[in-house]
Amino acid sequence: GAVVSQHPSRVICKSGTSVKIECRSLDFQATTMFWYRQFPKQSLMLMATSNEGSKATYEQGVEKDKFLINHASLTLSTLTVTSAHPEDSSFYICSATARDYSSYEQYFGPGTRLTVT
Amino acid sequence: GNSVTQMEGPVTLSEEAFLTINCTYTATGYPSLFWYVQYPGEGLQLLLKATKADDKGSNKGFEATYRKETTSFHLEKGSVQVSDSAVYFCALIINTGGFKTIFGAGTRLFVKA
Repeated sequence: GAVVSQHPSRVICKSGTSVKIECRSLDFQATTMFWYRQFPKQSLMLMATSNEGSKATYEQGVEKDKFLINHASLTLSTLTVTSAHPEDSSFYICSATARDYSSYEQYFGPGTRLTVT
Repeated sequence: GNSVTQMEGPVTLSEEAFLTINCTYTATGYPSLFWYVQYPGEGLQLLLKATKADDKGSNKGFEATYRKETTSFHLEKGSVQVSDSAVYFCALIINTGGFKTIFGAGTRLFVKA
């Protein structure tokens, strides 16, 4: 089946620093990748949608200058949390859709837990 | 607007009990419906899906039927196991000039031995 990986799985950083999270589709070409944020015991909140080679589309209320998304290739998207603060601590999950999106199926990464101290 | 409503958890059952997790939706057009499962510390995994009215999705003993008349997609399993303990998310996908997934709040299931 289609596999999506994320790296790192856990990261702890100091307030004011930037953190990059990678999302890779391992055995398929992902034309679209989605980035979600999940707070403890809550549902997933869509942050942005990124298509290969174009700018990401951010959801209302998500700061695009703070959460930089790059989708430079069909197998890699990155989310950079710039000038992180404790309130950015969360579980970040990416998902990807294959080039043939006819089944509307998304493949989710295992998530990255970010802790900002 | 488009939304998904799930029954609140946590749901606690004994092994081999019958499970129902209710899910209703509001959507413009004809969405595809999904159930995802999230085990502790992991990302989401697709459990089952249905893309049109009256379709039944099934996997690993779980079933859900797309009911357009009641706008529902309830998840059922006849006999749960301890290993089914997880959080279950109902979701729909709509096409608003781009595909977007809308998730329910999630229902945590605990199964006791």
